[in-house]
Amino acid sequence: DAKTTQPPSMDCAEGRAANLPCNHSTISGNEYVYWYRQIHSQGPQYIIHGLKNNETNEMASLIITEDRKSSTLILPHATLRDTAVYYCIAAGYNTDKLIFGTGTRLQVFP
Amino acid sequence: DGGITQSPKYLFRKEGQNVTLSCEQNLNHDAMYWYRQDPGQGLRLIYYSQIVNDFQKGDIAEGYSVSREKKESFPLTVTSAQKNPTAFYLCASLKGGTDTQYFGPGTRLTVL
Repeated sequence: DAKTTQPPSMDCAEGRAANLPCNHSTISGNEYVYWYRQIHSQGPQYIIHGLKNNETNEMASLIITEDRKSSTLILPHATLRDTAVYYCIAAGYNTDKLIFGTGTRLQVFP
Repeated sequence: DGGITQSPKYLFRKEGQNVTLSCEQNLNHDAMYWYRQDPGQGLRLIYYSQIVNDFQKGDIAEGYSVSREKKESFPLTVTSAQKNPTAFYLCASLKGGTDTQYFGPGTRLTVL
């Protein structure tokens, strides 16, 4: 599975969009980009995933660059409850393993 | 309510004792996973099972053992051979043919 690189931390004002970047320059053609988040002392929660097209669901949007070497998770209107560690993972479909790095700690402030 | 349960939420044991962490799911998922998380770190895969009576080692299996006698249950035993067992343990499951893992609330194990 491809390695991903994320900034260790980010801040965002409540109500504003939170844009979380992820680099995955060695991603292969059959690997998806997955995003999970982990609120303190809880299990991770699936957010969204995509292959090459942009994706949107009720939680977030995922923008993947045309060369697939990077992506951005967008929380359109961040709330205090979005404060969490966000993990970007590149892995094959229905993979046996998800490799969680250290993620980005997003702090949403009032 | 469907989901994954882990019990207990907090567990304390004396050094040298084996301890078994429970993981149950009623989602009818085929695959189940155990991860370990240390403070400020990501998750590391201990063991996983894709089907009943079968399981594979993950990246840090030494000092741990598992069983998968039932589809719903995947208990993890932390043995005395695990040198640094104090950690947050997370169980997850995945339905065959999908790509989303669902996680339990975790068990925080402290070995005194």
